[in-house]
Amino acid sequence: DTGVSQDPRHKITKRGQNVTFRCDPISEHNRLYWYRQTLGQGPEFLTYFQNEAQLEKSRLLSDRFSAERPKGSFSTLEIQRTEQGDSAMYLCASSHSQGNEQFFGPGTRLTVL
Amino acid sequence: DQQVKQNSPSLSVQEGRISILNCDYTNSMFDYFLWYKKYPAEGPTFLISISSIKDKNEDGRFTVFLNKSAKHLSLHIVPSQPGDSAVYFCAASDNTGGFKTIFGAGTRLFVKA
Repeated sequence: DTGVSQDPRHKITKRGQNVTFRCDPISEHNRLYWYRQTLGQGPEFLTYFQNEAQLEKSRLLSDRFSAERPKGSFSTLEIQRTEQGDSAMYLCASSHSQGNEQFFGPGTRLTVL
Repeated sequence: DQQVKQNSPSLSVQEGRISILNCDYTNSMFDYFLWYKKYPAEGPTFLISISSIKDKNEDGRFTVFLNKSAKHLSLHIVPSQPGDSAVYFCAASDNTGGFKTIFGAGTRLFVKA
């Protein structure tokens, strides 16, 4: 296993467009997390899944954001009607259910023009 | 509401000397603390962690100290090496309330040769 992967690595879009990001966690990990990181800040928690169940969502996650993990493996994060303020690095991480240590992917950098 | 604070944006240390990175938290429910290291264009990688039932955890050149009464933890790197130059994030989680992890803003460490 090569770790957590994210696709695409970079996305440039125009304001108002929808974008979807994918995360493939480490195969035996049943927890999956999404974070957003902006310049000079640490990762901000968005949401997390235990298997296919979405257990918690941040207040940062507006109605325009939706995340899914349909089969408890890969996950998608969709942003509808993107705004310039959505420009950030979107990080995905996964972990075992018995551990706090999270393994991060390289992130998807979103630029909204 | 910053629950995890890293008040030093950057730190510069001479190779071979000790690096001390500090972190303060406000939520007394946090019971697990982690340090992550991040190189440019990569996701954060786990470095070391400590449970709230301990006050020290050591792993090679890295030691984390936890002072629960002061709600303060620190990461000591000794001896520091140029390859340690990176951004270090302090993170905390409340395992009884779910596994959401809150990150600090990070401290950029420069180790000069």
